[in-house]
Amino acid sequence: QKEVEQDPGPLSVPEGAIVSLNCTYSNSAFQYFMWYRQYSRKGPELLMYTYSSGNKEDGRFTAQVDKSSKYISLFIRDSQPSDSATYLCAMSSSGGSYIPTFGRGTSLIVHP
Amino acid sequence: EPEVTQTPSHQVTQMGQEVILRCVPISNHLYFYWYRQILGQKVEFLVSFYNNEISEKSEIFDDQFSVERPDGSNFTLKIRSTKLEDSAMYFCASKSTSGGFGNEQFFGPGTRLTVL
Repeated sequence: QKEVEQDPGPLSVPEGAIVSLNCTYSNSAFQYFMWYRQYSRKGPELLMYTYSSGNKEDGRFTAQVDKSSKYISLFIRDSQPSDSATYLCAMSSSGGSYIPTFGRGTSLIVHP
Repeated sequence: EPEVTQTPSHQVTQMGQEVILRCVPISNHLYFYWYRQILGQKVEFLVSFYNNEISEKSEIFDDQFSVERPDGSNFTLKIRSTKLEDSAMYFCASKSTSGGFGNEQFFGPGTRLTVL
């Protein structure tokens, strides 16, 4: 069973739509949950991270973690063409080096 | 804004040749990492480096790989005898301190390695 599963998409939405990106995982030791954004020909950039379960909001972005279901989500409100990128979920356990385990990434296209 | 830089952006090599991928981490950062991403697949951790030694490595990071911080600014990844399956995007990342998760790893733009 793969540790982190993420649908690669692509997900194509019109400008202004609410976008939902999701990952599932199998390792109960994961405590830190991250979302990275990766533009074409660039390295991943950390968007948000949360610790354990719950929600976290930052502007148009909301991250949710449901540890009981081993399911995390990233919501993007009022999506913009500039949000078009690949979104990678990543997770790590607490303590130690916090090395993230990544999902495959979901390609998002927001068209005007 | 400080950023991680990597050179070259694209490296083409013949199978069996040695390659060195170079990274300049952000200047006051102390923790350094290499990751790779095979086309269409996940970003995978290779190795972390702190205080001039490897602090953690994955199963991928076998004897064909080595890392070095030769001069206090560069951080290099060497692949001694490249294989076709080493073709991937290689990302360098750096982080300022350990102190808890809140310290973000900053990634470079990557070097695309093509082994023919």
